Amino acid sequence: NAGVTQTPKFQVLKTGQSMTLQCAQDMNHEYMSWYRQDPGMGLRLIHYSVGAGITDQGEVPNGYNVSRSTTEDFPLRLLSAAPSQTSVYFCASSGSRLAGGPGELFFGEGSRLTVL
Amino acid sequence: SQQGEEDPQALSIQEGENATMNCSYKTSINNLQWYRQNSGRGLVHLILIRSNEREKHSGRLRVTLDTSKKSSSLLITASRAADTASYFCATDEPSGYSTLTFGKGTMLLVSP
Repeated sequence: NAGVTQTPKFQVLKTGQSMTLQCAQDMNHEYMSWYRQDPGMGLRLIHYSVGAGITDQGEVPNGYNVSRSTTEDFPLRLLSAAPSQTSVYFCASSGSRLAGGPGELFFGEGSRLTVL
Repeated sequence: SQQGEEDPQALSIQEGENATMNCSYKTSINNLQWYRQNSGRGLVHLILIRSNEREKHSGRLRVTLDTSKKSSSLLITASRAADTASYFCATDEPSGYSTLTFGKGTMLLVSP
């Protein structure tokens, strides 16, 4: 099993460009999420999905779109990149659901995005 | 925000010593999880403790939870250089939202 796969691993964008970060998992997990990690800020939740066709906003959703057409894939779209979106992005999935939130999260290796 | 807050921000010890990291949070929780992140890598789940549990063990890891103080601690016994990493606590939302909120982490350096 590959687990959670993120592509690309590195990307440089110019301000105003758009792009999609891909996330795929092969564990048949219902729950998927996107976090961004910035120095001194920890991980902040951008969007999450509890199943195909269902998405919701996290703590910092502005400037990002998601969709969940299949159980396996959860792409994150940057509509018009800004320097403030320079960050490391992590996709995570979970196959367990507990009262109050997901169980163990499985993380991808991250996508490092720089916006000039 | 429910964000947990780890303490200390950084910890430096020698191999063989024990390492203790703490996590405090603001409101009630159902579950608290600890994760580890090696430099430049994704996070890896270490242990989950439920609100009705006070202590849990996994190998050299010992996690405690004090819901009255809204705090948790992660103890790594007999640390090794390979334990060098950042450690994060994550809490859920008692209102039923399907999210986990992470703290800012503790950077642990274990020197040979």
